[in-house]
Amino acid sequence: DTAVSQTPKYLVTQMGNDKSIKCEQNLGHDTMYWYKQDSKKFLKIMFSYNNKELIINETVPNRFSPKSPDKAHLNLHINSLELGDSAVYFCASSQAGANVLTFGAGSRLTVL
Amino acid sequence: QKEVEQNSGPLSVPEGAIASLNCTYSDRGSQSFFWYRQYSGKSPELIMSIYSNGDKEDGRFTAQLNKASQYVSLLIRDSQPSDSATYLCAVTRPTGYSTLTFGKGTMLLVSP
Repeated sequence: DTAVSQTPKYLVTQMGNDKSIKCEQNLGHDTMYWYKQDSKKFLKIMFSYNNKELIINETVPNRFSPKSPDKAHLNLHINSLELGDSAVYFCASSQAGANVLTFGAGSRLTVL
Repeated sequence: QKEVEQNSGPLSVPEGAIASLNCTYSDRGSQSFFWYRQYSGKSPELIMSIYSNGDKEDGRFTAQLNKASQYVSLLIRDSQPSDSATYLCAVTRPTGYSTLTFGKGTMLLVSP
């Protein structure tokens, strides 16, 4: 049973398109995150939700819009994709107030 | 100054040797420190956490923390080829909602 699952695993799309990545965790955690890992392997926080409430919103273009319908799900929608959006996007979760993250397998986005 | 700094490597060690991975951080208020391992094409997984000055041992792994020097290290004894991966140092932010700031990682190569 996968603890943090992301779909799709791979996305290849053209510039200007819109795409979504879905994430679900079955660990009972209260906090979920989106991290972006670029080609240089730098892993950077984008957003964090605690029990459906947005608590961290880093300096991310507003083309990126997270949504958390419930505390087990955190989705990421990206509008008007750009070449620089190509990266691996990791979803993660943790207990509230804890910093031990469990990561999903990642979603590799390639923008052509 | 970067928040969390690591030598990108690669650090090459022969099988059976001790691998020493280092990390420095900029914010003196950071409270919690973590080492994650990331195999190529996979997601990060937690291997060690450390919260107070000194050493913490877990099997072949020892984490060392020196808050005065703002320095964290990871020692891997009896290195195995299966330890070949990128090791990410992560530090909690001391302000606001706690989340992890990652270094860029050090690639470790263990040769048989």
